[in-house]
Amino acid sequence: GENVEQHPSTLSVQEGDSAVIKCTYSDSASNYFPWYKQELGKRPQLIIDIRSNVGEKKDQRIAVTLNKTAKHFSLHITETQPEDSAVYFCAASKGNNNDMRFGAGTRLTVKP
Amino acid sequence: NAGVTQTPKFRILKIGQSMTLQCTQDMNHNYMYWYRQDPGMGLKLIYYSVGAGITDKGEVPNGYNVSRSTTEDFPLRLELAAPSQTSVYFCASHREIRTEQYFGPGTRLTVT
Repeated sequence: GENVEQHPSTLSVQEGDSAVIKCTYSDSASNYFPWYKQELGKRPQLIIDIRSNVGEKKDQRIAVTLNKTAKHFSLHITETQPEDSAVYFCAASKGNNNDMRFGAGTRLTVKP
Repeated sequence: NAGVTQTPKFRILKIGQSMTLQCTQDMNHNYMYWYRQDPGMGLKLIYYSVGAGITDKGEVPNGYNVSRSTTEDFPLRLELAAPSQTSVYFCASHREIRTEQYFGPGTRLTVT
C-alpha cells in the first residue's frame, strides 16, 4: 500500500522567513495530495491541495509543488507569522475511498 | 451548519470496558471516516463508510466496530478497551473523493 514520509519532524523559523516541508510517496498511482494544518488541541483543517495534473498551486503565502517523477511534493510557506505555528500533515491518495495515507506531521514553530 | 460533531470530548476507560464514540454531520455527506491519531503520529484510518448501510475496514480496524444506519451518524464502538487504544479519535466526512475532508473536534480516549 501507499507509504508517505514527511520531513522534517520539527521546524523552527524566525517570523518573516520561509518554511518548507517535504513529503515523499511510494505509489505512483497516487493523484491527490492535500495538506492539513492542526493547531494545538484542534482538528486538522485543509489548507491547500494539489492534483497530479498540475505541478504547482499557490494560495496567498502558501504554495505546494509536485514532482510526479520523483514522487515527492512540498509545502512552502512564505513570510511566516506566529499564527502559522502548528503541526502540518501531508497526505496522498489514489482517489479511492480508503487509501488516503498521512505523513507523520511536521511541528512548525514561528518565533516572533 | 454545525459541520462534524463528536461526543464525548474526553473519556477515561478501564481495560475491558466498552464505549461508543458518536459522530454526526449535517452536510449530507455520503463519505465518512474514523481515524486515530497517536502522539507524534499521523492519522490512521480505522473504518469508513460510503453511504448509509455500507461500511468497510481501513488500515487499523482490529478492536473496533462501526455502523451507518443514517447518512448523518457514524458511531464507533470499542468492545473490550485495551491500553493500545489510548489515542485521539477523529471523525471526518466529505462530499466527494479527492475533496476536502471535514474533521470533527476529536475525542481524547485514555484506557488504563
